[in-house]
Amino acid sequence: GAVVSQHPSRVICKSGTSVKIECRSLDFQATTMFWYRQFPKKSLMLMATSNEGSKATYEQGVEKDKFLINHASLTLSTLTVTSAHPEDSSFYICSAGAGVNTEAFFGQGTRLTVV
Amino acid sequence: GENVEQHPSTLSVQEGDSAVIKCTYSDSASNYFPWYKQELGKGPQLIIDIRSNVGEKKDQRIAVTLNKTAKHFSLHITETQPEDSAVYFCAAPPGSSASKIIFGSGTRLSIRP
Repeated sequence: GAVVSQHPSRVICKSGTSVKIECRSLDFQATTMFWYRQFPKKSLMLMATSNEGSKATYEQGVEKDKFLINHASLTLSTLTVTSAHPEDSSFYICSAGAGVNTEAFFGQGTRLTVV
Repeated sequence: GENVEQHPSTLSVQEGDSAVIKCTYSDSASNYFPWYKQELGKGPQLIIDIRSNVGEKKDQRIAVTLNKTAKHFSLHITETQPEDSAVYFCAAPPGSSASKIIFGSGTRLSIRP
């Protein structure tokens, strides 16, 4: 199947700083990418839908100024957690789809710890 | 929007026995139903999926059944093995986008030796 690479796999940052997570589709063009957040022993919650060349669509309750998403090319989307706080510590996962009716392929996730 | 309910939340079975996980969904336009397996510290991995034009699909020890009328679908794992221990998620993307995955709450499956 198609490969989605997420980087970094783990990151520790200080409270108040920003951290960027990258999601790349390695062998296909992803017209749409999705960002999820997962707390321990919980399900994956969709944060936003990222469309190449346009603004991201955020799910209800997700702060767009807090979680900046950029999808500048068909193979790369980035999620920037701005002014991170300890409560932003979580497992962030991206997925990518090649089209509307194609399955999604998931990255390996990024463990963010804010200290 | 789509609402997916999954149960049980935890399931423990003896090695070699079968495990069944059930899900219901709300969006009648949904037509694609994937199941994911997530191991600790990793992203979810697609293990099987079914589209609405069939009622059952099987891949070795894993099978999925779908009842569109009742809006529920199930995952069946037969002859369970220790490596089947993981968290399993059902999903029901909205009819407008098969790649926009809305996950169920998850089932933690433990296989007892």
